Amino acid sequence: DQQVKQNSPSLSVQEGRISILNCDYTNSMFDYFLWYKKYPAEGPTFLISISSIKDKNEDGRFTVFLNKSAKHLSLHIVPSQPGDSAVYFCAAPPNNQGGKLIFGQGTELSVKP
Amino acid sequence: DVKVTQSSRYLVKRTGEKVFLECVQDMDHENMFWYRQDPGLGLRLIYFSYDVKMKEKGDIPEGYSVSREKKERFSLILESASTNQTSMYLCASRRSNQPQHFGDGTRLSIL
Repeated sequence: DQQVKQNSPSLSVQEGRISILNCDYTNSMFDYFLWYKKYPAEGPTFLISISSIKDKNEDGRFTVFLNKSAKHLSLHIVPSQPGDSAVYFCAAPPNNQGGKLIFGQGTELSVKP
Repeated sequence: DVKVTQSSRYLVKRTGEKVFLECVQDMDHENMFWYRQDPGLGLRLIYFSYDVKMKEKGDIPEGYSVSREKKERFSLILESASTNQTSMYLCASRRSNQPQHFGDGTRLSIL
């Protein structure tokens, strides 16, 4: 039972354009979401998060949108840069479970010069 | 800056061996985690610990055990390694209500 799903394994975008990475979840009790970025041969690094009391959170070129009714969130990167090429994971913490996270399968973003 | 250190970047072991993966964090974090990452499956939680000597099973604990004798160190043990445990293993730690910080991973191959 995949509670957090990223249905696109890969995405290719031209430098300077917008990258949109999508994530769906099934548990309506989830109230906080995180995005992590992972380069090859490195561990994931925290990128941005959003609480369910908001529908948008912005940090520089990165914006996360949350649509609670659709149980869907998306990460927008504008403008995309070649250094953004990485695997992006969305994640959610089940309530009251010691800080554990449930991760999606990941989307590999390739930004072409 | 938080530092999570995994003892080996690459490891090759044989089927049936007992394998130890070590993880150390330097920020006095209460919570520590072990995940494995496999293509198309994302990160899956094996075990986690919210305090010294405390452990909880994650989503895929079978074939693994853990040890947390000191706050800064969380060890993952493969009791009898099998080929289906070939994977990238990632350790993470966090302070309460903060994002998890990850180590760079150990790529384990079981032959």
